[in-house]
Amino acid sequence: NAGVTQTPKFRILKIGQSMTLQCAQDMNHNYMYWYRQDPGMGLKLIYYSVGAGITDKGEVPNGYNVSRSTTEDFPLRLELAAPSQTSVYFCASSAFIAGSSYEQYFGPGTRLTVT
Amino acid sequence: AQTVTQSQPEMSVQEAETVTLSCTYDTSESDYYLFWYKQPPSRQMILVIRQEAYKQQNATENRFSVNFQKAAKSFSLKISDSQLGDAAMYFCAYRSMDSNYQLIWGAGTKLIIKP
Repeated sequence: NAGVTQTPKFRILKIGQSMTLQCAQDMNHNYMYWYRQDPGMGLKLIYYSVGAGITDKGEVPNGYNVSRSTTEDFPLRLELAAPSQTSVYFCASSAFIAGSSYEQYFGPGTRLTVT
Repeated sequence: AQTVTQSQPEMSVQEAETVTLSCTYDTSESDYYLFWYKQPPSRQMILVIRQEAYKQQNATENRFSVNFQKAAKSFSLKISDSQLGDAAMYFCAYRSMDSNYQLIWGAGTKLIIKP
């Protein structure tokens, strides 16, 4: 199994450009998440999804959009990129197993720089 | 709202020695999960150990163990026989039992292993 995969690994955007960060998982997990990690900080939740067709905002959703048309894929869209969106972005997934810890499995991250 | 605090931005330890990383959290809930994640320079987030709050016994995973003090809201990580491969950022995270989608993260502790 590949687990959680993310593309691209690195990207430089100019202010005002848009892009989509791709995330896919092959573990048949219901739950998927997008986090951002700013330097010297922990992760902050941007958006999450509890299943195909269902998404909701996390702590820092402004400037981002998501969709979940399949169980496997959870792309993150950045519209009108701003320097404040310079960060490392992580995608994660977890299985819905009642009574479990809902352990989250992470992708390798995408380092995004907006200049 | 729950918060997680890691008061040690950086710790160093001699190879083969033992080191303890601190984590405190604030919550009004009685049941929840706590996690320690490791993030090496590769950026990959790796689950080190988990603890469910209603379990009094401290979790252990090989050289990694926790000291869970529920009343004090403290969740420290002890690494025994430190190895060079343990060098990484370590993050403490909290998950509410009511919230199956979000982890609340501390700011992390950078662990340096001296050969």
